Amino acid sequence: DVKVTQSSRYLVKRTGEKVFLECVQDMDHENMFWYRQDPGLGLRLIYFSYDVKMKEKGDIPEGYSVSREKKERFSLILESASTNQTSMYLCASKMGTAGNTIYFGEGSWLTVV
Amino acid sequence: DQQVKQNSPSLSVQEGRISILNCDYTNSMFDYFLWYKKYPAEGPTFLISISSIKDKNEDGRFTVFLNKSAKHLSLHIVPSQPGDSAVYFCAASGGWETSGSRLTFGEGTQLTVNP
Repeated sequence: DVKVTQSSRYLVKRTGEKVFLECVQDMDHENMFWYRQDPGLGLRLIYFSYDVKMKEKGDIPEGYSVSREKKERFSLILESASTNQTSMYLCASKMGTAGNTIYFGEGSWLTVV
Repeated sequence: DQQVKQNSPSLSVQEGRISILNCDYTNSMFDYFLWYKKYPAEGPTFLISISSIKDKNEDGRFTVFLNKSAKHLSLHIVPSQPGDSAVYFCAASGGWETSGSRLTFGEGTQLTVNP
């Protein structure tokens, strides 16, 4: 079974703090993704990476950055957390070709106060 | 610009009856479609998919239908069970080079199956 592990399930951070969300996958997948889920808005893509050190902006990249130094690890960084970044963050991974299934981690609930 | 749209935020059905969840898309470059199921406080799990070269794919109680001309797909669950109560997301991918790997999701539909 594919395993996508997100390091923190629940976090509470203060406005202005720098926040790191870590994600590791164990299936040697080329592609990794960060989504956020908000009620009524579905899953929105923040950033994705199709190879080590490669990244592309998704639909809502503002206020976020990412890092992919190793194939199995993809980090999401909130440079200066704001209350509108309170959300559930979902990491996912996928084999290279289009048409393959994307596998999600369990999610990280971030509250910014 | 919402390229994948699920117009029904919620659906309630009786146990044993059919559940039909609908999804519309606007991007004609999409060529692969998936349905995911999500329980609260968990990540989405893959349910079923369909390629644009097919118009139907079946897996047990779950069937996905694709109408390319209408840019519409639907998920049928029959018979529905209380354990099917979850949020269902429709997703699509296709077309571009590296971006062909990414999925675009709809807003989700909360399905409630009543005993």
